[in-house]
Amino acid sequence: GAVVSQHPSRVICKSGTSVKIECRSLDFQATTMFWYRQFPKKSLMLMATSNEGSKATYEQGVEKDKFLINHASLTLSTLTVTSAHPEDSSFYICSARALTSGRAGNEQFFGPGTRLTVL
Amino acid sequence: GDSVTQMEGPVTLSEEAFLTINCTYTATGYPSLFWYVQYPGEGLQLLLKATKADDKGSNKGFEATYRKETTSFHLEKGSVQVSDSAVYFCALIPNDYKLSFGAGTTVTVRA
Repeated sequence: GAVVSQHPSRVICKSGTSVKIECRSLDFQATTMFWYRQFPKKSLMLMATSNEGSKATYEQGVEKDKFLINHASLTLSTLTVTSAHPEDSSFYICSARALTSGRAGNEQFFGPGTRLTVL
Repeated sequence: GDSVTQMEGPVTLSEEAFLTINCTYTATGYPSLFWYVQYPGEGLQLLLKATKADDKGSNKGFEATYRKETTSFHLEKGSVQVSDSAVYFCALIPNDYKLSFGAGTTVTVRA
């Protein structure tokens, strides 16, 4: 099956620093990657949609200058949390949509998530 | 807009009990429907899916049937195990390919 990895799996940082999270599709090409945020005991909140070679599309209420997304290749997208604060502490999950047409191409494959703790 | 409503938990069961998690959806057109599972501390894994009406998705003893007439995609398992303890998310992808998730249902299976 399609595999998506995220790195790091856990990160602890000081308030005011920036943190970069990588999302990679290991065995397929992804035209589109998605970034989600999950609060404790809550569902996933879509933050942004990232298309390779173009600017990310952010959901309403998500600060694009705070959460920088880069999708430099068909297998890599990065999320940078800039000037992180304790309220940014959360579980961040990425997913990737395969480069295939038709309804089967709608499936998204999820990474294992990154636990960010800002002190 | 397109949305998913799923049964609120938490749900606590004994081993070998029957599990049902209700899921209904609102969508225009013909969305694809999914059940994802999230084990403690991990990301989401696709459990099963159905892409058209009357399709039945199945995996690991879990089943769900895409019912267009009732706009439902209920998840069932006949005999749960402790290892099935997790959070289960119902989700749909409409034509614009953005996944919409339900709120999640926490299931705890006791030995």
